[in-house]
Amino acid sequence: RKEVEQDPGPFNVPEGATVAFNCTYSNSASQSFFWYRQDCRKEPKLLMSVYSSGNEDGRFTAQLNRASQYISLLIRDSKLSDSATYLCERALTFGSGTRLQVQP
Amino acid sequence: DVKVTQSSRYLVKRTGEKVFLECVQDMDHENMFWYRQDPGLGLRLIYFSYDVKMKEKGDIPEGYSVSREKKERFSLILESASTNQTSMYLCASSAGTGVNEQFFGPGTRLTVL
Repeated sequence: RKEVEQDPGPFNVPEGATVAFNCTYSNSASQSFFWYRQDCRKEPKLLMSVYSSGNEDGRFTAQLNRASQYISLLIRDSKLSDSATYLCERALTFGSGTRLQVQP
Repeated sequence: DVKVTQSSRYLVKRTGEKVFLECVQDMDHENMFWYRQDPGLGLRLIYFSYDVKMKEKGDIPEGYSVSREKKERFSLILESASTNQTSMYLCASSAGTGVNEQFFGPGTRLTVL
């Protein structure tokens, strides 16, 4: 099993929809989790850190479930500009990314 | 505004050539990283460094070496390039100790013929 796994998608959703991605991990000792956003032909940029207590920033909510060993990213009221690949990171190990396509 | 720069956006080399990829950060970050990104495999850590002249192997160090002579600069070296090293190479830096937010450079698309 890969250390960090993501559903590659693509997730095709209409504008305004709520969409959620999960990222499973296999090493429960890690304390550091992050979500990055990567646009086509661009470098990844930090979207959110993932804290034990959860983290919310506007339309974006990240949560950590240690018992089931996954982190999640929830995007509410999707915008066209949210179309991108979302990468999760656990202690320098990245998932292969989940592609989101928001459609008009 | 934080910045990580890489010496080339695109590079074409021949099998057996020695290749240098340079990365510079202007944020006075302690930590620097080299990744490669391939379709379906995501970002994979090649080498990282927590301090000047210090280096640690990542998950896929074979065929690569690194150099960190100055805090702001981290070089990736392919001693003898091979076609399976054709990839997108991304440099990143982060501050402090532990695992923190990483700032990435724009990447170098290397093609080995």
